Amino acid sequence: GAGVSQSPSNKVTEKGKDVELRCDPISGHTALYWYRQSLGQGLEFLIYFQGNSAPDKSGLPSDRFSAERTGGSVSTLTIQRTQQEDSAVYLCASSLLPNSNQPQHFGDGTRLSIL
Amino acid sequence: AQKVTQAQTEISVVEKEDVTLDCVYETRDTTYYLFWYKQPPSGELVFLIRRNSFDEQNEISGRYSWNFQKSTSSFNFTITASQVVDSAVYFCALSPLGGGTSYGKLTFGQGTILTVHP
Repeated sequence: GAGVSQSPSNKVTEKGKDVELRCDPISGHTALYWYRQSLGQGLEFLIYFQGNSAPDKSGLPSDRFSAERTGGSVSTLTIQRTQQEDSAVYLCASSLLPNSNQPQHFGDGTRLSIL
Repeated sequence: AQKVTQAQTEISVVEKEDVTLDCVYETRDTTYYLFWYKQPPSGELVFLIRRNSFDEQNEISGRYSWNFQKSTSSFNFTITASQVVDSAVYFCALSPLGGGTSYGKLTFGQGTILTVHP
């Protein structure tokens, strides 16, 4: 497809389990961003990739969160030992250039529910 | 640190009314970008507009218009003759312009829920 693709669209898991969320950016977009949207915190930045490197991981809430990007394309956000407060919609965005000249295009998100 | 404040949590209007969504921002950067995104019930964030801090010209696109005032650190969004399809959550956002590790990092406001009744 032409847009940012995220999978799964919904994920329900038990507290303590690990989860992996996937983002497939728009072809050719070198910059990739992860955000989290929750009721209490609104939309929060998590991490930014330029190519395969992550210059800015400042938004990752704890060391249970990690992300990687391979081949300058697909990115995976991993949450280990999930907690109920991790329940949120995780949004991925990509842009053509790694600067603010190009707007970010967002995927539909993964709705994560921790039981 | 950057901060975006959307003071209106929810707005309810009747179709054909005009509505203005307020956005106030704080930043120490001298150059930056401002954005508005729309999030319809389907959930996807849709880009509406980007303005850079150099350009304070107001912009109009169809029924949408934006008023950027650097002196008051505001970037307000007006929908003229609102329609039911305009019902969504609207987010104002701020991003640094220029070098650094936080290229493109968006700081969002809390969002304004707009409901347009028929």
